[in-house]
Amino acid sequence: SQTIHQWPATLVQPVGSPLSLECTVEGTSNPNLYWYRQAAGRGLQLLFYSVGIGQISSEVPQNLSASRPQDRQFILSSKKLLLSDSGFYLCAWNQRPEEKLFFGSGTQLSVL
Amino acid sequence: AQSVAQPEDQVNVAEGNPLTVKCTYSVSGNPYLFWYVQYPNRGLQFLLKYITGDNLVKGSYGFEAEFNKSQTSFHLKKPSALVSDSALYFCAVRDPYSSASKIIFGSGTRLSIRP
Repeated sequence: SQTIHQWPATLVQPVGSPLSLECTVEGTSNPNLYWYRQAAGRGLQLLFYSVGIGQISSEVPQNLSASRPQDRQFILSSKKLLLSDSGFYLCAWNQRPEEKLFFGSGTQLSVL
Repeated sequence: AQSVAQPEDQVNVAEGNPLTVKCTYSVSGNPYLFWYVQYPNRGLQFLLKYITGDNLVKGSYGFEAEFNKSQTSFHLKKPSALVSDSALYFCAVRDPYSSASKIIFGSGTRLSIRP
């Protein structure tokens, strides 16, 4: 069966520090991968999505970047965090666009 | 460009009463539509989807949704609400005619069921 792992669960970082959040999917190949951010427990904002290794589409110009070094690995990064980067980050995957998304358990990021 | 709107930030319903959570969308063609639920500090869980076929879609936990093409809506419904239904609900859309694979979510509606 397929599973999605996202870590860490919580992270407190000072302003200006780097960030690396990792997401991995098991039990499938060539998934579509997504990073979403949820601010203050409300709306979900699509940040990045990827349909294959090295293929990253960015939805919102911002202080973040994403990479897909392996088929089932999706990494969200920042060189210097801003206060506005705080939020709940969710990784998700599906196999085909008409299929439902499977979400990770999320990372609560607090930038202080 | 595709978009989705949830006009209500919060919906309050008494237990046992029917509930409706509203969703409207905008895409260039026939959409793929989804509903998800989120419990506190958790990832989202899939409830139901509409791809094609019957306009009334049945999903998990007794929820259903009706696709209305003329009104570009996909409202979530349940005949009898439970306190345990209290959560944050998201509508999502994908434009199948877009070359992109992105799925866009609405702003969410907080459903509160009072005993």
